[in-house]
Amino acid sequence: GQNIDQPTEMTATEGAIVQINCTYQTSGFNGLFWYQQHAGEAPTFLSYNVLDGLEEKGRFSSFLSRSKGYSYLLLKELQMKDSASYLCAVKRNNRLAFGKGNQVVVIP
Amino acid sequence: DAGVTQSPTHLIKTRGQHVTLRCSPISGHKSVSWYQQVLGQGPQFIFQYYEKEERGRGNFPDRFSARQFPNYSSELNVNALLLGDSALYLCASSLAGGLAGELFFGEGSRLTVL
Repeated sequence: GQNIDQPTEMTATEGAIVQINCTYQTSGFNGLFWYQQHAGEAPTFLSYNVLDGLEEKGRFSSFLSRSKGYSYLLLKELQMKDSASYLCAVKRNNRLAFGKGNQVVVIP
Repeated sequence: DAGVTQSPTHLIKTRGQHVTLRCSPISGHKSVSWYQQVLGQGPQFIFQYYEKEERGRGNFPDRFSARQFPNYSSELNVNALLLGDSALYLCASSLAGGLAGELFFGEGSRLTVL
C-alpha cells in the first residue's frame, strides 16, 4: 500500500518556524518530494530527497530517514504567502503517491 | 518559456457524458502524467506516458483512458461520467520517463459533473 500520512492542518505566526511531518511505507521507495499548493492552483516543487539527511534551500529545508519511513519539511521565517497546503509525495515505480497534504495557515 | 498548459481550465458536464482534457508539456519534456485531485485530498496518479507509450496506470476504471501524440502532448478521456469524477485534473511533465527529476504541473482542468 501507499499509506502516506500527514497532519491535516496547523496554524503558525508570521516569522515563526513550522515543521510538517510525513510518514510512509518504505516498500518500493525511490525518493520523496515536497510540493506547495496554494488554493485553486497547481502544486509547485519545493524539494526532493533520495538520500538520508537534510537538504536546505533558502527558508525551506527537508529531511529524510529512509529506514524510519519519515520525512519533514521545515519552513523558517514564515511569511503570509506561505499559507498553503504542503504535499508529501513518495516516488515508487515511476509514479508519485501523494499524501493528503498539510494545510498551513500563517497569521500576523 | 511556456510551462505545462492544460485546456479547458473549467468545464461542466452531466452524468453519462464524456470529456476530453488536453495537455501540452514543457518543450523538450517527453513524459506526461495525469493526476486526479478531489477537493481536500492529494493528487492521485491516473496515467503516465513516455515516448507515446503507457508506462503506468493507477487504480482507475476503464472509463479513463489517455494517449500521447508524436509532439508529446496528451489527452485524457473519461467516459460515462459519474458525480464522483468531479475533481481537478492535473497534467505534469518531466524530462524522462523514470521521473529522475521533479514533475512540473499545469494549472489543471476543473471538472464538475452534475
